[in-house]
Amino acid sequence: DAGVIQSPRHEVTEMGQEVTLRCKPISGHNSLFWYRQTMMRGLELLIYFNNNVPIDDSGMPEDRFSAKMPNASFSTLKIQPSEPRDSAVYFCASSWTVSGANVLTFGAGSRLTVL
Amino acid sequence: ELKVEQNPLFLSMQEGKNYTIYCNYSTTSDRLYWYRQDPGKSLESLFVLLSNGAVKQEGRLMASLDTKARLSTLHITAAVHDLSATYFCAVGGNTNAGKSTFGDGTTLTVKP
Repeated sequence: DAGVIQSPRHEVTEMGQEVTLRCKPISGHNSLFWYRQTMMRGLELLIYFNNNVPIDDSGMPEDRFSAKMPNASFSTLKIQPSEPRDSAVYFCASSWTVSGANVLTFGAGSRLTVL
Repeated sequence: ELKVEQNPLFLSMQEGKNYTIYCNYSTTSDRLYWYRQDPGKSLESLFVLLSNGAVKQEGRLMASLDTKARLSTLHITAAVHDLSATYFCAVGGNTNAGKSTFGDGTTLTVKP
């Protein structure tokens, strides 16, 4: 398996522009997570899906952020409009439950810079 | 709300020395995970601990779990430079399947 695939790996955009980050989870994994990592805030869970259904979006910072998972093999995280404070590395991770464990497999991350 | 605290947050040690990273959490859980992140890279799974008293070892790293004390430790034996990285513990909640709460991470620097 190619692992969790994220795109783009790097994105530089200007304030006010729309940003779409994409994620392809590992085939067979039934949970998908979006995390954001910054020096100031560390690793934050934004939203997670189970069987394509959003379960907990309490970490989504504000209405400018939205996430979708239209099918088991694809998810998007959209920021509209983007702001400089959104600059961060965004990780997608997927997992499935085995013997009570949910080990996350992380993608390589999308580094977003908003100017 | 589940809180996960790691200490220390920064650790500088010399090669050959031993040290322990601590992970305390605030509510009952018997699912504890350790991840490693190299600078500029993603996170990768190191250990999964699923019961009280569980101990896992891989090379110079050993992780343990005490669910009664709500404490996990990551022990480093005879550190080498290649172990320099940030180590995260994550605690699995009992009600939200799949959701893990991460600590702030411990950045380890091993000096020659």
